[in-house]
Amino acid sequence: AQKITQTQPGMFVQEKEAVTLDCTYDTSDQSYGLFWYKQPSSGEMIFLIYQGSYDEQNATEGRYSLNFQKARKSANLVISASQLGDSAMYFCAGYNTNAGKSTFGDGTTLTVKP
Amino acid sequence: DTGVSQNPRHKITKRGQNVTFRCDPISEHNRLYWYRQTLGQGPEFLTYFQNEAQLEKSRLLSDRFSAERPKGSFSTLEIQRTEQGDSAMYLCASSLAGGLVSDEQFFGPGTRLTVL
Repeated sequence: AQKITQTQPGMFVQEKEAVTLDCTYDTSDQSYGLFWYKQPSSGEMIFLIYQGSYDEQNATEGRYSLNFQKARKSANLVISASQLGDSAMYFCAGYNTNAGKSTFGDGTTLTVKP
Repeated sequence: DTGVSQNPRHKITKRGQNVTFRCDPISEHNRLYWYRQTLGQGPEFLTYFQNEAQLEKSRLLSDRFSAERPKGSFSTLEIQRTEQGDSAMYLCASSLAGGLVSDEQFFGPGTRLTVL
């Protein structure tokens, strides 16, 4: 079983600055994946970035990067050059590649200030 | 590609009634997931299908809940004898196992259930 912990219920960032959203995970699986999703107030879940447990390089997707530290079991999301449209709830999720199920954290609400 | 669709978007029902939700995944996706999300929480896994086979069910899925995916296409989630604690957003997601990004799940807009 996996457990995902997001310790920051809410975060504020100034527009155009970078922000790091924390995620730690606990799993006994050897093969797993970690996802970040964005959920705006409209409710849809939007995939942002993925990191596989065997990937040696940190994942990057545009302004999003994942700071993956396997020994510390952390998978923090870094958003560079924040925009007002980044204001949303962000969820970290762990995926068991054998069982095919995902476990989500409780999320972090990010507010970007103009 | 029209994405994952869910119907209805909203459902209000009285306690004790049965409700059924439908999810249409992205057409070539072979995996389909159901999650439940309550206010301020992350989605909780309920069950998932690979093609028509239901491969895993959460302990959250009591005997009042049943899900089907006949012919490996759309899926239905039925809740019998609804309780007020069933009020939540029910999310469906689909993915292509073995795709470029391992099991990247595309989510539908959800069905918001309110049990009075």
